[in-house]
Amino acid sequence: SQTIHQWPATLVQPVGSPLSLECTVEGTSNPNLYWYRQAAGRGLQLLFYSVGIGQISSEVPQNLSASRPQDRQFILSSKKLLLSDSGFYLCAWGTEDTQYFGPGTRLTVL
Amino acid sequence: GNSVTQMEGPVTLSEEAFLTINCTYTATGYPSLFWYVQYPGEGLQLLLKATKADDKGSNKGFEATYRKETTSFHLEKGSVQVSDSAVYFCALGVLSGGYQKVTFGTGTKLQVIP
Repeated sequence: SQTIHQWPATLVQPVGSPLSLECTVEGTSNPNLYWYRQAAGRGLQLLFYSVGIGQISSEVPQNLSASRPQDRQFILSSKKLLLSDSGFYLCAWGTEDTQYFGPGTRLTVL
Repeated sequence: GNSVTQMEGPVTLSEEAFLTINCTYTATGYPSLFWYVQYPGEGLQLLLKATKADDKGSNKGFEATYRKETTSFHLEKGSVQVSDSAVYFCALGVLSGGYQKVTFGTGTKLQVIP
């Protein structure tokens, strides 16, 4: 069966510091991968998606970036965090008709 | 564009009460419809889905029927438990350029009291 991992689970970072969140998937090959952000009390916003290694599409302009160095690894990065980057970051993998989510990373920028 | 509207929460029910969470959608084409559940501090779990009109998705006592004529996908459960307390998200998904573009509702918080 498929499993999706995210780490770290929680992170507290100062404004202006770099960020690296990692997501890995087990039990499937060549999945579509997604990064979402969930701000407090709000719905989910799609940040990036990837249909293959090295293929990244961005949904919204921001100071975040994503990379997919391996088939089942998806990384979310930032060179300098902003206060507005605080939130709950969710990675998901998908088949053609369904997405499955990881446990999430709670990021607090102070 | 596509959109999902679900009832505002929070919804507070007593244990064993009947649950309905309304969800309506606007979409071009033929979307798949989903309900996801999020427990405190956790990611989203797929609760149920339906991929075409008149399909009924069901799981753990929850049900929802894809109604194309009313563009709705209401979530129901006959008898809720305290453990059902969570936030429920209605969503629709369409294939777009090789990936599935999912539009989520804003979520409905359910609190079940003993």
